[in-house]
Amino acid sequence: NAGVTQTPKFQVLKTGQSMTLQCAQDMNHNSMYWYRQDPGMGLRLIYYSASEGTTDKGEVPNGYNVSRLNKREFSLRLESAAPSQTSVYFCASSAQPSYEQYFGPGTRLTVT
Amino acid sequence: KNEVEQSPQNLTAQEGEFITINCSYSVGISALHWLQQHPGGGIVSLFMLSSGKKKHGRLIATINIQEKHSSLHITASHPRDSAVYICAATSGGGADGLTFGKGTHLIIQP
Repeated sequence: NAGVTQTPKFQVLKTGQSMTLQCAQDMNHNSMYWYRQDPGMGLRLIYYSASEGTTDKGEVPNGYNVSRLNKREFSLRLESAAPSQTSVYFCASSAQPSYEQYFGPGTRLTVT
Repeated sequence: KNEVEQSPQNLTAQEGEFITINCSYSVGISALHWLQQHPGGGIVSLFMLSSGKKKHGRLIATINIQEKHSSLHITASHPRDSAVYICAATSGGGADGLTFGKGTHLIIQP
């Protein structure tokens, strides 16, 4: 069981470039999440998918899009990267009844 | 919108000391989570509770729903407990994602 995997681990982008962060889980969880972590701000929810086929905005969705490709995979896309999107991005998943969250290892993204 | 506050932000203690980290939240919740973030960056779930108390090894988590307050205790602290401890709340049915406190950076000195 790999749990939650994320690719890539590190990425450097120039302002205006686009990229997709990939996340997959092998625990048959219904719900998946994207968070960003910034110094002094803590973790914040970007988007979530409560179940396959649904996605909803979290606290900081601007500048991002998501796709719940199937039950296993949930991707996060930056269409036109900005320096303010420099952050560490974590994907997580959970399932009923507890909704305990399992986190991926994170992607460190720098936008110059 | 739920606000989650943690204290202290930073805590340095000697090995063996009893550690308490506090968390308060502003509105009713369905569950309160305690997470640990290792120096390498990985995040693991320690506890999830909606009432009472849970214990795992030297870690104890309590929650007081009426006072909107939770505590994480570490007994007989050890340098390997050094990490960032984060509390987080879910307000909806559970699938809606977490609202996080800013974390407590704990250092246990030998």
